[in-house]
Amino acid sequence: AQTVTQSQPEMSVQEAETVTLSCTYDTSESDYYLFWYKQPPSRQMILVIRQEAYKQQNATENRFSVNFQKAAKSFSLKISDSQLGDAAMYFCAYNNNDMRFGAGTRLTVKP
Amino acid sequence: DTGVSQDPRHKITKRGQNVTFRCDPISEHNRLYWYRQTLGQGPEFLTYFQNEAQLEKSRLLSDRFSAERPKGSFSTLEIQRTEQGDSAMYLCASSPTLPGNEQFFGPGTRLTVL
Repeated sequence: AQTVTQSQPEMSVQEAETVTLSCTYDTSESDYYLFWYKQPPSRQMILVIRQEAYKQQNATENRFSVNFQKAAKSFSLKISDSQLGDAAMYFCAYNNNDMRFGAGTRLTVKP
Repeated sequence: DTGVSQDPRHKITKRGQNVTFRCDPISEHNRLYWYRQTLGQGPEFLTYFQNEAQLEKSRLLSDRFSAERPKGSFSTLEIQRTEQGDSAMYLCASSPTLPGNEQFFGPGTRLTVL
């Protein structure tokens, strides 16, 4: 069974600074997809960034980028120039046919 | 299309009662997923549909839970004989067919079993 582990229940970052959220996963598959989703308080889950396992290049979306280490089964999210609106729960997810989520990291952004 | 919608947004029920939730996916999406999320945890996969076919069910989905998507459009999730442990947020998501596609989530139905 695929499992996703987020070892940081909470993280804090100063506005305009950079923060990295960790995620590891376990799978025996070679072809899969990885996602970071953001869930603001009392709001819907939205996609932040997606990585295809067969692509070596790390995905980037504006201020968000990932460090994908396939051999280590690691998929961390870096948020640059943090903004107050980045405060949310962040979930790492693994997808082969169904989606498996980690327990989440609560990110606080300090003004 | 305004995205995935779920109804009701909140449901309070007494233990032992049956409840039914509805999910309307994005219209062109073939896949529809149900998840359960408890406080402080990530969503847990329950089941998913490809059009009207239910392709996978989690072991979490006990016999008291049943999901349908009769015409390949909206879906319902029914919980029979609710228990206090069923209290959670029930999330629905939809996506196009390919497995790597983004899943679009609805706002969820928060169930409280008294």
